[in-house]
Amino acid sequence: GENVEQHPSTLSVQEGDSAVIKCTYSDSASNYFPWYKQELGKGPQLIIDIRSNVGEKKDQRIAVTLNKTAKHFSLHITETQPEDSAVYFCAAGGARAAGNKLTFGGGTRVLVKP
Amino acid sequence: DTGVSQDPRHKITKRGQNVTFRCDPISEHNRLYWYRQTLGQGPEFLTYFQNEAQLEKSRLLSDRFSAERPKGSFSTLEIQRTEQGDSAMYLCASSFNQPTNEQFFGPGTRLTVL
Repeated sequence: GENVEQHPSTLSVQEGDSAVIKCTYSDSASNYFPWYKQELGKGPQLIIDIRSNVGEKKDQRIAVTLNKTAKHFSLHITETQPEDSAVYFCAAGGARAAGNKLTFGGGTRVLVKP
Repeated sequence: DTGVSQDPRHKITKRGQNVTFRCDPISEHNRLYWYRQTLGQGPEFLTYFQNEAQLEKSRLLSDRFSAERPKGSFSTLEIQRTEQGDSAMYLCASSFNQPTNEQFFGPGTRLTVL
């Protein structure tokens, strides 16, 4: 089955700096890659996603890149703010996974210091 | 608030007791997923429904676990004879019936087995 690795597990940045989280996946049939933000005591919140026919996608301060050949994708947060502090999860899903079940990475705890 | 609701939000039970959780998906979504999340880990897929049909179950879903979605709307997840290892956050998500459509998560039910 699919296996998703996520790095780093923790990331501390100064407010205003950029944060980058990287994920790799194993199943070349995966074609959908969402990113979720989870705050303490809450469910994961979808913040951005990318599909395999696209190499990059941006939404305000957030961008995702996908390299299908290398089977890795990344989340970039620019101009970080204290409210960006949370745990971020990458995930992979796709054609071979019936119903598009998602396989998640282990998460990155991001701390933005004011 | 994604529109997916779960009840209860917290459940404390003694080992050996049965527990049941409920998920109400976004009303027009016909796919419903259950995931389990342990502390410091990403969510792990348990099972999913398309309308009322349960189409896939993970190996994580032992025979003590049963899920239903009787009318294709809300779903219940029951755990019989709970064990301490069942302590986790149980997350529900819903989506439209397309291969790569976004999954929206509820707030989760945190189960503690004493």
